[in-house]
Amino acid sequence: QVQLQESGPGLVKPSQTLSLTCTVSGGSIISSGYFWTWIRHHPGKGLEWIGHISYSGSTYYNPSLQSRVTISLDPSKNQFSLKLSSLSAADTAVYYCARTTGGDFDSWGQGTLVTVSS
Amino acid sequence: DIVMTQSPDSLALSLGERATINCKSSQSILYTSNNKSYLAWYQQKPGQPPKELIYWASTRESGVPDRFSGSESGTDFSLTISSLQAEDVAVYYCQQYYRFPYTFGQGTKLKIK
Repeated sequence: QVQLQESGPGLVKPSQTLSLTCTVSGGSIISSGYFWTWIRHHPGKGLEWIGHISYSGSTYYNPSLQSRVTISLDPSKNQFSLKLSSLSAADTAVYYCARTTGGDFDSWGQGTLVTVSS
Repeated sequence: DIVMTQSPDSLALSLGERATINCKSSQSILYTSNNKSYLAWYQQKPGQPPKELIYWASTRESGVPDRFSGSESGTDFSLTISSLQAEDVAVYYCQQYYRFPYTFGQGTKLKIK
């Protein structure tokens, strides 16, 4: 059974760039058909899909974040990563990595809280 | 974006009662070529990530108890728990995966009365 685990800083300053990594175990991130996704959950609000990267490296981002987001794959480490630039307090959220084949998410990481504050 | 609107925002029921959570999409999420609605339901307990319960609007994920069921009528979708158990206390979300960006409902908090 695949497992996902997020890692990265819990506190980031405004205007800086957030870098998070998701380590995948129990399966290869370059297995055909999978899309590796980032989702965030704002405190007291709903879930927001950030974007995904396919097993072959193609990406698709939420247009609301597209100018600030980069998702990349590192097959050598079986990891994928999120970079989100120009942070503000509105980016404070729990960030999840997840796996999908057709758009529904069958496996999730535990989530990591990121607070944007000076 | 496709807007997913859930109702009610919260629900308090007694153990053994039937729980129904509703979700309405702002446009059709039915793909006519395969006759499938691209809708999933998730359960999130405190301190845990969401867990997928239902996909294709009514297909239970492996291992999900059969007291959970999903149904649809046009752009209206429902998640039903036939007999509420204590472990079902959670926030429930619907999600459409018909069109990018994928979007979620605002969540429904289910509590025991």
